[in-house]
Amino acid sequence: TQLLEQSPQFLSIQEGENLTVYCNSSSVFSSLQWYRQEPGEGPVLLVTVVTGGEVKKLKRLTFQFGDARKDSSLHITAAQPGDTGLYLCAGARQTDSWGKFQFGAGTQVVVTP
Amino acid sequence: DAGITQSPRHKVTETGTPVTLRCHQTENHRYMYWYRQDPGHGLRLIHYSYGVKDTDKGEVSDGYSVSRSKTEDFLLTLESATSSQTSVYFCASGGPNTGELFFGEGSRLTVL
Repeated sequence: TQLLEQSPQFLSIQEGENLTVYCNSSSVFSSLQWYRQEPGEGPVLLVTVVTGGEVKKLKRLTFQFGDARKDSSLHITAAQPGDTGLYLCAGARQTDSWGKFQFGAGTQVVVTP
Repeated sequence: DAGITQSPRHKVTETGTPVTLRCHQTENHRYMYWYRQDPGHGLRLIHYSYGVKDTDKGEVSDGYSVSRSKTEDFLLTLESATSSQTSVYFCASGGPNTGELFFGEGSRLTVL
């Protein structure tokens, strides 16, 4: 069982539709991060959320950190083909040292024109 | 870019042979990491380092060892490779001052 559970595992939508990806855990996190990975490359950071209840927006992407700092969501509005990729959440538990970042299994998003 | 390079990028080896993967970063980051990526599992932490000669185990450390003799270099060693260690290995670096991890391009290892 992974520390961070992501759902769904796979999402295929049409351009212009909205989508939400979830990242859940039974542990409390100091912060959570979202990364996007494209084929043949390493993940790249999208955002870090630190405060419980925090909402951050990055153009058409909205990130939310749960009040209890155990879960997070990523919402994409009016998805575009360029949003296609593997979305990964990551964090270090509050009880772990700062650097012990663990990742969820990822959500593969495919946006077709 | 954080200037992280991994070598080799591709390697095919036989069961029972030793393998060393190298990671080099030019950003003077304090923390360095080795992850493996397999379908359905995302990135799983093997080992990480929080300073020269300071390392800690991750969630899948069995069968792997690491060494960090200089800030910029982090080595991952498979003492006796097994087929279950066939994977794509990613190195990363970062620190509290950056607040994020910067990844290399990955090393694809196949153990026959």
